[in-house]
Amino acid sequence: DTGVSQDPRHKITKRGQNVTFRCDPISEHNRLYWYRQTLGQGPEFLTYFQNEAQLEKSRLLSDRFSAERPKGSFSTLEIQRTEQGDSAMYLCATTDLAGSPSEQYFGPGTRLTVT
Amino acid sequence: AQSVTQLGSHVSVSEGALVLLRCNYSSSVPPYLFWYVQYPNQGLQLLLKYTSAATLVKGINGFEAEFKKSETSFHLTKPSAHMSDAAEYFCAVSPNSGNTPLVFGKGTRLSVIA
Repeated sequence: DTGVSQDPRHKITKRGQNVTFRCDPISEHNRLYWYRQTLGQGPEFLTYFQNEAQLEKSRLLSDRFSAERPKGSFSTLEIQRTEQGDSAMYLCATTDLAGSPSEQYFGPGTRLTVT
Repeated sequence: AQSVTQLGSHVSVSEGALVLLRCNYSSSVPPYLFWYVQYPNQGLQLLLKYTSAATLVKGINGFEAEFKKSETSFHLTKPSAHMSDAAEYFCAVSPNSGNTPLVFGKGTRLSVIA
């Protein structure tokens, strides 16, 4: 247990539905990343925050995806009008930027299945 | 753009045998390199990281990796495999400052045979 929590751990939804995932970071970690991992692949970067500011979004993050980090604490990732191709593990990672480079601590992930 | 190539999607070794997982990187600047391990239905855990302080990096659980600039490689080794080492291993590179999003390889699944 790294101290990063994600909720829910599993989500099954029907195509076209909206889903929202939550990530709670280690309390002093000001940087938060979202990655997506499909079967047989390594994690791919989606977006990241420094405190409440969203600093970068990947081209993988279509208009159906939105992420927020109000007050610089927990973060949410919402997918609207889900598609079967959205089925994946969604991973959250956080860091306090200590060290060079700093370690990213990963949560257990949310596994999304779109039927 | 930085990238990582992991040779071999699946490696199988006998318990007690040497573990060698290969990673080659592509980077236009000195890279920051990482090895992560992922157990089933869990997130990723850092094994070790290369920070340019030393070319041989020791990590947790008896793993180590050697940075070879001439070969653009960062292979992961462990002298003696244990059953508990069975997992998915990912090599990753951090572009630029090192505190930016990671670029991962596709992973290598390690099986340990009793």
